[in-house]
Amino acid sequence: AQKITQTQPGMFVQEKEAVTLDCTYDTSDPSYGLFWYKQPSSGEMIFLIYQGSYDQQNATEGRYSLNFQKARKSANLVISASQLGDSAMYFCAMRVEVMGGGADGLTFGKGTHLIIQP
Amino acid sequence: DADVTQTPRNRITKTGKRIMLECSQTKGHDRMYWYRQDPGLGLRLIYYSFDVKDINKGEISDGYSVSRQAQAKFSLSLESAIPNQTALYFCATSDLALGARSGGTDTQYFGPGTRLTVL
Repeated sequence: AQKITQTQPGMFVQEKEAVTLDCTYDTSDPSYGLFWYKQPSSGEMIFLIYQGSYDQQNATEGRYSLNFQKARKSANLVISASQLGDSAMYFCAMRVEVMGGGADGLTFGKGTHLIIQP
Repeated sequence: DADVTQTPRNRITKTGKRIMLECSQTKGHDRMYWYRQDPGLGLRLIYYSFDVKDINKGEISDGYSVSRQAQAKFSLSLESAIPNQTALYFCATSDLALGARSGGTDTQYFGPGTRLTVL
């Protein structure tokens, strides 16, 4: 069974600083996808970034980048130049691809509560 | 208009009552999912559906049932609600699983959530 571990329950960061949110995963399957979602206090789940297990380069989306270290099974999210609006819960998730093309949903970590201070 | 909608957004009910949560999507995706989120935890998968005729149990399906009425609609039912089903419920959709093996991505897009309280 797959597992996602986020070891930082909470983080305080000064505005404009870069932030790294840790995520490690465990799976024996070679084909998988890694996702990061943001959940602000309003509750919705907002997709941020995706990394496929066969991708050669780290994914980037605007201020978000994913530091993918496959051998270490880590997929840390990096937010550059943090803003007050980045304050939220952040969830790392993984989807393992079942042979034959099936999908069994996402496995989520417990999240990191990020607070950006002015 | 939102691509994935959930109704109701908030619901308070009593133990033993039957409850239905509804999800509709206009994204044209085949795959739909129901998750629940408890305080301090990530989301956990309840049920998922690849198409109208394909329903699958997730990690925590006990006490829940689902119905896929159409490609765009996926409902979650609690036949006899109990207090430990108090949670935030999310519906999600995704396109065909063109994932890592195919060089694509199969991002799941979430609805706004339904906050359910069982007294």
